[in-house]
Formats: sequence, C-alpha cells, structure tokens
Amino acid sequence: QQQVKQSPQSLIVQKGGISIINCAYENTAFDYFPWYQQFPGKGPALLIAIRPDVSEKKEGRFTISFNKSAKQFSLHIMDSQPGDSATYFCAAGYNAGNNRKLIWGLGTSLAVNP
Amino acid sequence: NAGVTQTPKFRVLKTGQSMTLLCAQDMNHEYMYWYRQDPGMGLRLIHYSVGEGTTAKGEVPDGYNVSRLKKQNFLLGLESAAPSQTSVYFCASSRGVSNQPQHFGDGTRLSIL
Repeated sequence: QQQVKQSPQSLIVQKGGISIINCAYENTAFDYFPWYQQFPGKGPALLIAIRPDVSEKKEGRFTISFNKSAKQFSLHIMDSQPGDSATYFCAAGYNAGNNRKLIWGLGTSLAVNP
Repeated sequence: NAGVTQTPKFRVLKTGQSMTLLCAQDMNHEYMYWYRQDPGMGLRLIHYSVGEGTTAKGEVPDGYNVSRLKKQNFLLGLESAAPSQTSVYFCASSRGVSNQPQHFGDGTRLSIL
C-alpha cells in the first residue's frame, strides 16, 4: 500500500504544551521519513527527517519518534509556541525504479493558543 | 537567494480558457515537481521531471501538461481549464540524489469560474 495515514487532522494545544502528530504506513520499502511545515500563504518546508535505522531524532523542540515494527512515526513538538501554528505533513520516501518518490500524508493543522 | 519562484501568484480564469504556470529555480536542482493542494486532500503530485527534457506523470496528471526545456524552468499548462482545477499549485525542486529535501515555491492560487 502506497499510503501514509496521518492523524489527527487538526490539533489545538495550549502554549507550553506538547503537540503530537502521528503517521502510519504499510509499505516496508519506505526508507526515509520527513516532516514538512507549512505556514499560511507559503509552501511547505522541510522541518526534520529520519531514516528507519534510528528510533528517534531531535532538533531543538522537534523530535521524530520512529517505531519500525509498528510501522509508525510521530512528530513531537515540545513547549509548543504560537509561532508553531502551521500545517504539518509527514511523508515517506522509497525507490521507484530509477527514481525516488515521496508519498505524503494529508496534513495536520496545528493551532497553539497563547 | 530566490530559491523557487512561481509566476503568477494569483489568477482567475473562465472555464475553457488556457494558461501556463511558470516555475523557476536557481539552485541547479535536477528534479522538479508540480503539486496541487486542496482542503483535506494534502499535496497531490501532478507531474514531475528528473532532468532537463524529461517529464513524467504523477498521481493526478489529467487535464495538465508540462514541459522542462531548460533545467531551471518547469512549466505547467492547463489547455482547457475546468472548475475542478481550482486549487493552489505548488512547484518544488530537489537535488537528483536520494532523500534530498524538496524546496517549494509559495504557490499559485488559481480560481476557475
């Protein structure tokens, strides 16, 4: 299955709280899992990415947790700030013949209340 | 650094009209992509190119054509616009090696009446 299922569709968090967005996949050929952040009126931008040979990657307040056996990965935003309010997309990359392809989740709209 | 530039930013068309969306990148990237973004449907790949002179179909190619005559430019054409093509269109580019990030433009908001 060439799908990445992302949840929740929308999320409201208080300032200082933890935001958690989850993604699940079926295809074991996926070997690259990026998260993109999109602000209103802008294109998505790479936030953080992980490969399946590690279980966690942290960059500042943003952490990806990866569970290979469960085929799930999640984005945790610690100490969430109003400036983190955006749409977040997970994705999964794989080899398709001679090319690389990226399958996108449907996105999560995050609102952080001040 | 300009990165990925999309032209125009906004456009309103009537059903049946044609137009071309232009994407230009200054990062010497091999790969370029056109997506459309609709509420609740995420990013859907329309067409992509892995190099100058090459194009390939993505997930939702019907009603669109593309050309990559120069490495830095990727054009998306609508020959006969339909209301179902009302969307926000994003262009992206990436290096031609594994797992390189895609760099996006700021989108073209297209309305078909």
